[in-house]
Amino acid sequence: GAVVSQHPSRVICKSGTSVKIECRSLDFQATTMFWYRQFPKQSLMLMATSNEGSKATYEQGVEKDKFLINHASLTLSTLTVTSAHPEDSSFYICSARGTAFSILPQETQYFGPGTRLLVL
Amino acid sequence: GESVGLHLPTLSVQEGDNSIINCAYSNSASDYFIWYKQESGKGPQFIIDIRSNMDKRQGQRVTVLLNKTVKHLSLQIAATQPGDSAVYFCAEKMEYGNKLVFGAGTILRVKS
Repeated sequence: GAVVSQHPSRVICKSGTSVKIECRSLDFQATTMFWYRQFPKQSLMLMATSNEGSKATYEQGVEKDKFLINHASLTLSTLTVTSAHPEDSSFYICSARGTAFSILPQETQYFGPGTRLLVL
Repeated sequence: GESVGLHLPTLSVQEGDNSIINCAYSNSASDYFIWYKQESGKGPQFIIDIRSNMDKRQGQRVTVLLNKTVKHLSLQIAATQPGDSAVYFCAEKMEYGNKLVFGAGTILRVKS
Protein backbone atom coordinates (compact mmCIF):
# COMPACT_ATOMS: atom_id res chain seq x y z
CA GLY A 1 0.00 0.00 0.00
CA ALA A 2 0.84 3.72 -0.05
CA VAL A 3 2.05 3.92 -3.64
CA VAL A 4 2.56 7.30 -5.24
CA SER A 5 3.25 7.69 -8.93
CA GLN A 6 4.56 10.58 -10.96
CA HIS A 7 4.38 11.25 -14.64
CA PRO A 8 6.47 11.87 -16.59
CA SER A 9 9.64 10.45 -15.07
CA ARG A 10 11.80 12.56 -17.34
CA VAL A 11 11.10 15.56 -19.51
CA ILE A 12 13.28 17.71 -21.72
CA CYS A 13 11.80 20.95 -22.95
CA LYS A 14 12.81 24.16 -24.64
CA SER A 15 13.19 27.37 -22.69
CA GLY A 16 9.91 29.28 -22.52
CA THR A 17 7.61 26.30 -22.67
CA SER A 18 5.42 24.99 -19.84
CA VAL A 19 5.66 21.54 -18.34
CA LYS A 20 3.03 19.71 -16.34
CA ILE A 21 3.93 17.00 -13.83
CA GLU A 22 1.27 14.71 -12.39
CA CYS A 23 1.31 13.12 -8.97
CA ARG A 24 -1.14 10.37 -8.11
CA SER A 25 -1.79 8.37 -4.97
CA LEU A 26 -2.66 4.96 -6.36
CA ASP A 27 -4.07 3.03 -3.44
CA PHE A 28 -5.07 5.64 -0.90
CA GLN A 29 -6.77 9.01 -0.76
CA ALA A 30 -4.64 12.01 0.01
CA THR A 31 -6.12 15.30 1.13
CA THR A 32 -2.65 16.77 1.27
CA MET A 33 0.16 16.47 -1.23
CA PHE A 34 3.52 18.15 -1.16
CA TRP A 35 5.86 19.23 -3.93
CA TYR A 36 9.60 19.22 -3.42
CA ARG A 37 12.58 20.19 -5.48
CA GLN A 38 15.96 18.55 -5.10
CA PHE A 39 19.34 19.58 -6.49
CA PRO A 40 22.18 17.08 -6.85
CA LYS A 41 23.69 15.97 -3.55
CA GLN A 42 21.28 18.12 -1.59
CA SER A 43 18.30 17.57 0.62
CA LEU A 44 14.67 18.00 -0.37
CA MET A 45 13.37 21.55 -0.51
CA LEU A 46 9.65 21.94 0.08
CA MET A 47 8.07 24.14 -2.59
CA ALA A 48 4.41 24.00 -1.67
CA THR A 49 1.68 22.16 0.17
CA SER A 50 -1.31 21.20 -1.91
CA ASN A 51 -4.70 20.65 -0.29
CA GLU A 52 -7.53 19.03 -2.20
CA GLY A 53 -10.11 21.57 -3.25
CA SER A 54 -8.24 24.64 -2.06
CA LYS A 55 -5.31 26.82 -3.03
CA ALA A 56 -1.79 25.60 -2.47
CA THR A 57 0.39 27.07 0.25
CA TYR A 58 3.76 28.09 -1.11
CA GLU A 59 7.02 28.27 0.80
CA GLN A 60 8.85 31.52 1.04
CA GLY A 61 10.75 32.33 -2.12
CA VAL A 62 8.72 30.04 -4.37
CA GLU A 63 6.88 31.91 -7.11
CA LYS A 64 3.28 30.75 -7.19
CA ASP A 65 2.73 32.15 -10.69
CA LYS A 66 5.65 30.15 -12.00
CA PHE A 67 4.90 26.89 -10.23
CA LEU A 68 1.16 26.34 -10.60
CA ILE A 69 -0.31 23.66 -8.41
CA ASN A 70 -3.72 22.09 -8.78
CA HIS A 71 -5.13 19.45 -6.45
CA ALA A 72 -8.43 18.63 -8.08
CA SER A 73 -9.13 15.28 -6.46
CA LEU A 74 -8.10 13.14 -3.50
CA THR A 75 -5.72 11.19 -5.71
CA LEU A 76 -4.26 13.73 -8.12
CA SER A 77 -2.15 16.86 -7.83
CA THR A 78 -0.37 18.58 -10.71
CA LEU A 79 2.59 20.93 -10.81
CA THR A 80 2.99 23.10 -13.89
CA VAL A 81 6.29 24.86 -14.43
CA THR A 82 5.36 27.83 -16.57
CA SER A 83 7.74 29.50 -18.99
CA ALA A 84 10.51 27.16 -17.94
CA HIS A 85 14.11 28.33 -17.99
CA PRO A 86 17.36 26.40 -17.62
CA GLU A 87 17.58 27.32 -13.94
CA ASP A 88 14.32 25.41 -13.40
CA SER A 89 16.10 22.20 -14.35
CA SER A 90 15.91 19.97 -11.31
CA PHE A 91 14.46 16.82 -9.79
CA TYR A 92 10.86 17.40 -8.73
CA ILE A 93 9.32 15.02 -6.23
CA CYS A 94 5.80 14.86 -4.87
CA SER A 95 4.57 13.20 -1.73
CA ALA A 96 1.12 12.36 -0.41
CA ARG A 97 -0.31 11.96 3.03
CA GLY A 98 -3.33 9.87 3.97
CA THR A 99 -6.65 11.32 5.06
CA ALA A 100 -8.03 11.26 8.58
CA PHE A 101 -10.03 8.17 7.62
CA SER A 102 -7.09 6.28 6.25
CA ILE A 103 -5.43 3.38 8.01
CA LEU A 104 -2.12 5.03 7.20
CA PRO A 105 -0.54 7.26 9.86
CA GLN A 106 -1.68 10.76 9.05
CA GLU A 107 1.74 12.30 9.44
CA THR A 108 3.60 9.93 7.15
CA GLN A 109 4.40 11.21 3.70
CA TYR A 110 4.86 8.72 0.89
CA PHE A 111 6.94 9.88 -2.03
CA GLY A 112 6.66 9.48 -5.75
CA PRO A 113 9.61 8.39 -7.89
CA GLY A 114 10.41 11.93 -8.98
CA THR A 115 10.49 13.77 -12.30
CA ARG A 116 13.76 14.88 -13.85
CA LEU A 117 13.25 18.17 -15.71
CA LEU A 118 15.85 19.47 -18.11
CA VAL A 119 15.23 22.83 -19.74
CA LEU A 120 17.39 23.60 -22.75
CA GLY B 1 13.69 27.06 7.08
CA GLU B 2 14.45 23.91 5.15
CA SER B 3 17.73 22.12 5.64
CA VAL B 4 19.97 22.07 2.63
CA GLY B 5 23.17 20.09 2.66
CA LEU B 6 25.94 20.98 0.26
CA HIS B 7 28.38 18.30 1.38
CA LEU B 8 26.65 15.18 2.51
CA PRO B 9 28.57 13.16 5.11
CA THR B 10 29.46 9.67 4.00
CA LEU B 11 29.44 6.49 6.03
CA SER B 12 31.34 3.56 4.56
CA VAL B 13 30.74 0.12 6.04
CA GLN B 14 31.74 -3.40 5.19
CA GLU B 15 29.02 -5.71 3.99
CA GLY B 16 27.63 -7.63 6.94
CA ASP B 17 28.56 -5.01 9.51
CA ASN B 18 26.01 -2.91 11.35
CA SER B 19 25.51 0.71 10.30
CA ILE B 20 24.53 3.63 12.48
CA ILE B 21 23.37 6.82 10.82
CA ASN B 22 22.89 9.86 13.03
CA CYS B 23 20.70 12.91 12.78
CA ALA B 24 20.48 15.99 14.97
CA TYR B 25 17.06 17.50 14.66
CA SER B 26 16.31 21.13 15.17
CA ASN B 27 13.08 21.61 17.04
CA SER B 28 12.25 20.44 20.55
CA ALA B 29 8.55 20.77 19.64
CA SER B 30 8.82 18.06 16.98
CA ASP B 31 6.69 15.06 17.84
CA TYR B 32 7.10 12.73 14.87
CA PHE B 33 10.17 11.54 13.03
CA ILE B 34 10.76 9.51 9.90
CA TRP B 35 13.76 7.95 8.22
CA TYR B 36 13.79 7.80 4.44
CA LYS B 37 16.13 6.02 2.05
CA GLN B 38 16.78 7.58 -1.34
CA GLU B 39 18.55 5.69 -4.10
CA SER B 40 20.08 7.55 -6.99
CA GLY B 41 17.49 8.98 -9.35
CA LYS B 42 14.55 7.83 -7.24
CA GLY B 43 12.16 9.32 -4.73
CA PRO B 44 12.62 8.83 -0.97
CA GLN B 45 11.37 5.54 0.37
CA PHE B 46 9.83 5.29 3.84
CA ILE B 47 11.90 3.12 6.18
CA ILE B 48 10.64 3.60 9.71
CA ASP B 49 9.01 6.20 11.90
CA ILE B 50 8.81 7.00 15.59
CA ARG B 51 6.71 9.27 17.73
CA SER B 52 8.12 11.45 20.47
CA ASN B 53 6.51 9.38 23.22
CA MET B 54 8.84 6.50 22.33
CA ASP B 55 12.60 6.20 22.45
CA LYS B 56 13.07 3.08 20.35
CA ARG B 57 11.28 1.33 17.55
CA GLN B 58 12.33 -1.72 15.59
CA GLY B 59 11.56 -2.85 12.10
CA GLN B 60 12.97 -5.49 9.85
CA ARG B 61 16.77 -5.13 10.18
CA VAL B 62 16.34 -1.48 11.22
CA THR B 63 16.03 0.25 14.56
CA VAL B 64 15.35 3.91 15.22
CA LEU B 65 16.47 5.49 18.48
CA LEU B 66 15.22 8.84 19.70
CA ASN B 67 16.93 10.91 22.38
CA LYS B 68 14.78 13.95 23.02
CA THR B 69 17.12 15.33 25.65
CA VAL B 70 19.81 16.05 23.09
CA LYS B 71 17.50 16.15 20.05
CA HIS B 72 19.19 13.20 18.42
CA LEU B 73 17.82 10.52 16.16
CA SER B 74 19.67 7.48 14.86
CA LEU B 75 19.01 4.71 12.40
CA GLN B 76 20.68 1.38 12.95
CA ILE B 77 20.85 -1.10 10.08
CA ALA B 78 21.80 -4.64 11.00
CA ALA B 79 23.90 -6.81 8.70
CA THR B 80 24.27 -4.08 6.09
CA GLN B 81 23.90 -5.25 2.50
CA PRO B 82 25.02 -3.70 -0.81
CA GLY B 83 21.38 -2.86 -1.53
CA ASP B 84 21.39 -0.59 1.50
CA SER B 85 23.73 1.83 -0.29
CA ALA B 86 21.79 5.07 -0.66
CA VAL B 87 21.31 8.49 0.87
CA TYR B 88 19.42 8.43 4.16
CA PHE B 89 17.38 11.39 5.35
CA CYS B 90 15.79 11.99 8.70
CA ALA B 91 12.70 14.17 8.81
CA GLU B 92 10.84 15.78 11.70
CA LYS B 93 7.36 17.13 12.07
CA MET B 94 6.47 19.73 14.62
CA GLU B 95 3.54 19.15 16.94
CA TYR B 96 0.47 20.68 15.27
CA GLY B 97 2.58 21.27 12.18
CA ASN B 98 1.67 20.26 8.68
CA LYS B 99 4.97 19.59 7.00
CA LEU B 100 8.16 17.62 7.36
CA VAL B 101 11.55 19.25 7.73
CA PHE B 102 14.34 17.19 6.25
CA GLY B 103 17.87 16.82 7.47
CA ALA B 104 20.84 17.18 5.15
CA GLY B 105 21.20 13.48 4.48
CA THR B 106 23.95 10.88 4.89
CA ILE B 107 25.44 8.79 2.12
CA LEU B 108 25.80 5.14 3.08
CA ARG B 109 28.32 3.15 1.02
CA VAL B 110 28.52 -0.57 1.54
CA LYS B 111 31.76 -2.25 0.56
CA SER B 112 31.66 -5.85 -0.56
